[in-house]
Amino acid sequence: DQQVKQNSPSLSVQEGRISILNCDYTNSMFDYFLWYKKYPAEGPTFLISISSIKDKNEDGRFTVFLNKSAKHLSLHIVPSQPGDSAVYFCAANGAGNMLTFGGGTRLMVKP
Amino acid sequence: SQTIHQWPATLVQPVGSPLSLECTVEGTSNPNLYWYRQAAGRGLQLLFYSVGIGQISSEVPQNLSASRPQDRQFILSSKKLLLSDSGFYLCAWSQGAGNEQFFGPGTRLTVL
Repeated sequence: DQQVKQNSPSLSVQEGRISILNCDYTNSMFDYFLWYKKYPAEGPTFLISISSIKDKNEDGRFTVFLNKSAKHLSLHIVPSQPGDSAVYFCAANGAGNMLTFGGGTRLMVKP
Repeated sequence: SQTIHQWPATLVQPVGSPLSLECTVEGTSNPNLYWYRQAAGRGLQLLFYSVGIGQISSEVPQNLSASRPQDRQFILSSKKLLLSDSGFYLCAWSQGAGNEQFFGPGTRLTVL
C-alpha cells in the first residue's frame, strides 16, 4: 500500500517555464512533507519542506504548496532551468515515524 | 559540519558471492541511520534503519542484513547475492526518526 504517490513518472518542461510536480498521500497522520532532488548516480539532496500547519513554503525558485483536505502537495519551480533536470522525490512523515517516499518524478528541462 | 561516506562507489559481484557495503557519518553523534535501495526506474525502498548501536529494524524481508557496530557506522551485508539485489544503495542519517534525512553518495551494485 503506497502511502505517498507521485503519479507522473516523468515531466518535460521548456526552460524558463514553470515546472509543477505533484504528490498525493493517504495517511492523514502525516504532518511534515519534504522534497528531495536526485541526480543520476548521486544520493538525494534535500530541497524544501513544509509543515502541516502551513499551506505554502517558498525558497527562491522553489515553492511547495500543501492542500491538506485533498491530501495533496506540489512543488513549483519557476523559472525552470536545465540544471533542474533530475528525479524529484516527495516524502512524508507523521508522529516522528520514518519518512515515507514517493516513487519519484523525472523532470527534464529543455533548453 | 556533518558528512556521510559510503564505499565502494561501484561494485560488480557474481551471483552467490558475499556483500559488504559500509557507511560512516562524521560530525554528529547518535544519529538514526538508514539503508535504502533504488532499483532501476523505481523509487526509494527503505531496507533497514537503526536508532542506536546494535539496534536494527528490517523493513523488507530479504537476503540482506545490516549491522551497526559503532555509533556512526552502518554496514549492509549479504552472504549470497541474488541477481535481484542489483541496484543503487543509499545510506542516510537523521537526528530523530521523522526529521530530514541526509544521504550519502550511494553505491551502484551490479550482480551478474
